[in-house]
Amino acid sequence: QQPVQSPQAVILREGEDAVINCSSSKALYSVHWYRQKHGEAPVFLMILLKGGEQKGHEKISASFNEKKQQSSLYLTASQLSYSGTYFCGTEGAGGGADGLTFGKGTHLIIQP
Amino acid sequence: EAQVTQNPRYLITVTGKKLTVTCSQNMNHEYMSWYRQDPGLGLRQIYYSMNVEVTDKGDVPEGYKVSRKEKRNFPLILESPSPNQTSLYFCASSYSGGAADTQYFGPGTRLTVL
Repeated sequence: QQPVQSPQAVILREGEDAVINCSSSKALYSVHWYRQKHGEAPVFLMILLKGGEQKGHEKISASFNEKKQQSSLYLTASQLSYSGTYFCGTEGAGGGADGLTFGKGTHLIIQP
Repeated sequence: EAQVTQNPRYLITVTGKKLTVTCSQNMNHEYMSWYRQDPGLGLRQIYYSMNVEVTDKGDVPEGYKVSRKEKRNFPLILESPSPNQTSLYFCASSYSGGAADTQYFGPGTRLTVL
């Protein structure tokens, strides 16, 4: 079952902050975040594992609330290079490496 | 350079003409997977493979076949393509397919079936 991402799209000015949410109806073991530029392959951003941890990568960070089966991606002081489509991919808590189930994506447009 | 390669990158074909999209990785990864990407639907898994000779269906396997005879290669086969298989296809690999493993994506193959 696909996780639900929100918002579907967001337009920001350079320097503004954004939050992208990912919710699942099933128990999760991990959440993966990817960014995809138009016409290119998805590029890995970060993985969050069961345990409610938060991770950071320069001005991009994420949190994972396993009890709520939700993850959020935070982009602070956005740059033009942050534009793209962001996908969360989830791995169920049932175990078994059957791969990730991806959300439909959030389109992020950063304007100068 | 560690990478996942796909060929061809672009393909236009006609209904019913069998085709194969190749995927190869040079990272000695055990896990490989195929996704299709359609506007508004995100990435949907077609098939995956845990290791040589071990494959399993993903969410949208109908109309596709795969094989894993060698660790590095995971071709996607469309025996009788139809227009609803027009899509952007990505191959991906990871070390073991575990929850903490990063998936590396190939550059994509844009397929059009007329």
